[in-house]
Amino acid sequence: DAKTTQPTSMDCAEGRAANLPCNHSTISGNEYVYWYRQIHSQGPQYIIHGLKNNETNEMASLIITEDRKSSTLILPHATLRDTAVYYCIVTPGNQFYFGTGTSLTVIP
Amino acid sequence: GAVVSQHPSWVICKSGTSVKIECRSLDFQATTMFWYRQFPKQSLMLMATSNEGSKATYEQGVEKDKFLINHASLTLSTLTVTSAHPEDSSFYICSPSQGEGTQYFGPGTRLLVL
Repeated sequence: DAKTTQPTSMDCAEGRAANLPCNHSTISGNEYVYWYRQIHSQGPQYIIHGLKNNETNEMASLIITEDRKSSTLILPHATLRDTAVYYCIVTPGNQFYFGTGTSLTVIP
Repeated sequence: GAVVSQHPSWVICKSGTSVKIECRSLDFQATTMFWYRQFPKQSLMLMATSNEGSKATYEQGVEKDKFLINHASLTLSTLTVTSAHPEDSSFYICSPSQGEGTQYFGPGTRLLVL
């Protein structure tokens, strides 16, 4: 079962940073925080994941609070192609349960 | 990331017929296969988990006799929707895995049962 809470929807202006929050207050010590996104009618796309430390890759940055009870996915310069549903998942890595996600709309 | 394919990408069938969906991991060997379905405007729901050469484990509420999963090789798994009905119309997505770690997902198969 999903153990995360995300806002239902968010808007972001094109070119600005998109900050997507996720609450996971019951996360266990061995669980990672994963982020995926799903563009309409496609399979989910992996974005980034982390355990305790902040992570950055070519797509995004992941900021995890020190108590690990919440995290934020940052898309530094949102483009129209970033419009999608973003899912935050906590898992030890063997099964992935999806919550309702955040529908991000990037506005021109 | 891993390369995953699904076939067909979409299918329309008559009520009562069976439909087989294939999922292939093209660049790695998948010891575990996850199958999800997604109804319109809803999130992905895990249906079942299968390990290569073993019977699948189904999530609560998913009928194992209706959704037959075969995972006979490390690169191919099939999901057969038997005696399909309109309520089975959905988006079916596979996710081959090497057990733990990042999961990659197929592009999905859209099923419409008339």
